[in-house]
Amino acid sequence: EVQLVESGGGLVQPGRSLKLSCAASGFTFSDYAMAWVRQAPKKGLEWVATIIYDGSSTYYRDSVKGRFTISRDNAKSTLYLQMDSLRSEDTATYYCARHRLGADYFDYWGQGVMVTVSS
Amino acid sequence: DIQMTQSPASLSASLGETVTIECRASEDIYNGLAWYQQKPGKSPQLLIYNANSLHTGVPSRFSGSGSGTQYSLKINSLQSEDVASYFCQQYYNYTFGAGTKLELK
Repeated sequence: EVQLVESGGGLVQPGRSLKLSCAASGFTFSDYAMAWVRQAPKKGLEWVATIIYDGSSTYYRDSVKGRFTISRDNAKSTLYLQMDSLRSEDTATYYCARHRLGADYFDYWGQGVMVTVSS
Repeated sequence: DIQMTQSPASLSASLGETVTIECRASEDIYNGLAWYQQKPGKSPQLLIYNANSLHTGVPSRFSGSGSGTQYSLKINSLQSEDVASYFCQQYYNYTFGAGTKLELK
């Protein structure tokens, strides 16, 4: 069974940093591209970043470029999102999601972790 | 960037009814579209990919159709467990529609 379990969320002040983790199990993690997708309270879904299977390429939405870094440790089957210079508009539930093999949609999602940026 | 316009924003329907949700892309997306269901307090779940292919384990009352810039999700014989929000997503820059909240009448 595919499982994605996020951790590392919480309350953080504007301008500070936070690092999210996503522990994967039930599949060969190193075969799959992975992504972070967020959802602001009572709002829709917004793709944040994608990393390909071996970590050699990464992609970001414009609003987080230069502030967020997606990475992975295939030996630990873990995905990360380092979030720096956080802003109030980054407040959201962050989901870890698996790209369907070779595809641009998401076939499994974690339960999500809340990040609140507020002073 | 390709924009997605999803309608309606909310929908109220009776058990057993057929409902349709639509997404319109700002340009041709060549069937590069997925649909997700998000139940209250839960994470999204994939329903449909490539505009009309049913994901593993999804009930056959769900179906997707469309081409070019116009796509739709149809739910036949609405069940109580279908109460959820539904989102479309196009593949080219991973843009999601704004969502449709489906409630029981």
